[in-house]
Amino acid sequence: QKEVEQNSGPLSVPEGAIASLNCTYSDRGSQSFFWYRQYSGKSPELIMFIYSNGDKEDGRFTAQLNKASQYVSLLIRDSQPSDSATYLCAVRDPGRRALTFGSGTRLQVQP
Amino acid sequence: DTEVTQTPKHLVMGMTNKKSLKCEQHMGHRAMYWYKQKAKKPPELMFVYSYEKLSINESVPSRFSPECPNSSLLNLHLHALQPEDSALYLCASSQDASGSQSQTSEQYFGPGTRLTVT
Repeated sequence: QKEVEQNSGPLSVPEGAIASLNCTYSDRGSQSFFWYRQYSGKSPELIMFIYSNGDKEDGRFTAQLNKASQYVSLLIRDSQPSDSATYLCAVRDPGRRALTFGSGTRLQVQP
Repeated sequence: DTEVTQTPKHLVMGMTNKKSLKCEQHMGHRAMYWYKQKAKKPPELMFVYSYEKLSINESVPSRFSPECPNSSLLNLHLHALQPEDSALYLCASSQDASGSQSQTSEQYFGPGTRLTVT
């Protein structure tokens, strides 16, 4: 059973702080990793994807991947109240087009 | 442009009704997906189409019937649904259709159809 684990939260951070969201996965063969942001009542929005070990930066977002530890994280710098949402980690099943999602971490950025 | 459109936005149907959900993308993507999402849960994969052919059916009940008329369109036909089928139905697409771990496997979601079965 492929698993993607996330802490459900809520993770509460003050405005301007760095929010750190974490995700672990069970299938060592996985190679594609995605972070989606989902506001309440809306659909998931792709914000980052990463395929290689190391860091990938896009604006205020940094995705980090450590395949040896089967760990992927998302850092949000200078957090804003508008970042308050549920963040879903998704891992592509090797050899299939299917994504396995974690249960999501709810982030609250306090003004 | 990474837009996937879905209609209708909201749908209320009785258990004896037949209705269809529609999804469209004009990004030239060759894989399209249906997901179901219940409140406070992650999306659950239902079906995957690749090059207009059904490639994955996650043991979905036959009261859900997918159809891919062409590479830009995806339908989900609904018949004799149960109240527990009430959920947000999400369509997604991705460029990758090979099944490989290529860098074109990002999936983009449409806004979803909020379905209520009474």
